[in-house]
Amino acid sequence: GENVEQHPSTLSVQEGDSAVIKCTYSDSASNYFPWYKQELGKRPQLIIDIRSNVGEKKDQRIAVTLNKTAKHFSLHITETQPEDSAVYFCAASPTGGGADGLTFGKGTHLIIQP
Amino acid sequence: SAVISQKPSRDICQRGTSLTIQCQVDSQVTMMFWYRQQPGQSLTLIATANQGSEATYESGFVIDKFPISRPNLTFSTLTVSNMSPEDSSIYLCSVLSGGTDTQYFGPGTRLTVL
Repeated sequence: GENVEQHPSTLSVQEGDSAVIKCTYSDSASNYFPWYKQELGKRPQLIIDIRSNVGEKKDQRIAVTLNKTAKHFSLHITETQPEDSAVYFCAASPTGGGADGLTFGKGTHLIIQP
Repeated sequence: SAVISQKPSRDICQRGTSLTIQCQVDSQVTMMFWYRQQPGQSLTLIATANQGSEATYESGFVIDKFPISRPNLTFSTLTVSNMSPEDSSIYLCSVLSGGTDTQYFGPGTRLTVL
């Protein structure tokens, strides 16, 4: 089955700086890659996603890049703010499309230092 | 996106007992899933809840331990049977709707087994 590796497990950045979280996946058939943000005690919330026919996607301060050849994708957050502090999870759909359920990475605890 | 609710929001149970968790959506959805999130960990897919037929379980999860029902397109239940302290987790349902790949999560049920 699909295996998703996520790094780093903890990331501390100064407010205003950029943060990058990286994930790799194992199943070349996967073609849907969402990112979720989970604040303490809350449900995971989708922040951005990308499909395999796209190399990059942006939404204001958040961007995701995908390299299908290398089977890795990354989340980029620019101009970080205190409210960006949370745990971020990457995921991949193991057989293509979210309809098959998601395999998650282990998560990155992002800490924004004021 | 669909509005998803879960009941109960939390419970404390004795080992050897069973708990049924309900997931209700305010609109018809194509797919419903159940995930487990152990304390401080990532999310793991338990099963896909199929409407009108048996659920599809992921490796490591079995029907006898986690029976699932989905009688219609807006409701599903997950039962955690013969509980042990290792079952202490947050259990989340998620739904796929609107012909997209995006999964939205319910608020979760925090289960503690003593």
